[in-house]
Amino acid sequence: QKEVEQDPGPLSVPEGAIVSLNCTYSNSAFQYFMWYRQYSRKGPELLMYTYSSGNKEDGRFTAQVDKSSKYISLFIRDSQPSDSATYLCAMKRDTGRRALTFGSGTRLQVQP
Amino acid sequence: DGGITQSPKYLFRKEGQNVTLSCEQNLNHDAMYWYRQDPGQGLRLIYYSQIVNDFQKGDIAEGYSVSREKKESFPLTVTSAQKNPTAFYLCASRIAGEANEKLFFGSGTQLSVL
Repeated sequence: QKEVEQDPGPLSVPEGAIVSLNCTYSNSAFQYFMWYRQYSRKGPELLMYTYSSGNKEDGRFTAQVDKSSKYISLFIRDSQPSDSATYLCAMKRDTGRRALTFGSGTRLQVQP
Repeated sequence: DGGITQSPKYLFRKEGQNVTLSCEQNLNHDAMYWYRQDPGQGLRLIYYSQIVNDFQKGDIAEGYSVSREKKESFPLTVTSAQKNPTAFYLCASRIAGEANEKLFFGSGTQLSVL
């Protein structure tokens, strides 16, 4: 079983829709949670960062972490065609290995 | 312009050949990483380095080697022992100790076997 599970999609939505992207994880030692966006054949870029549980909002993006359920979410409001990309969740332990563990990524397509 | 430069963009390997992927950064970052990306599998960690002259194996280090002789450079060699090297390789860096865990990625190298 992978430490981080993410539905690969593709997820296709109309422009203006609210998008929900999710990851589950099995290692309770994860304390740092991130969402990266990756356009085709490019390097990923950091979208959102959350430490431990809670919500964080940045413009049209909201990240949620529920550590009791080992479940994290990214919501995109008023989705745009430019949001079409692969979204990767990533996590890191508080101690031990100082590197991120990534989910497999969800491909999102926003139709104009 | 500060950033991470990976070269070449495309690379082809023959059977039994070692190839080296270049990664250079001018961000003055301490930590550097190599990830491999296969379709449907996300990013998997090959090697990482927190400081010069030191590096650690990641989850899939077999068949790969690295060096960290300079802060700016972290080349990855794909050896002939790596039997399935076709993948998209991503190099990344970050400021060691920074809380937000922001990785800066290069544009990647697509490696294919001839």
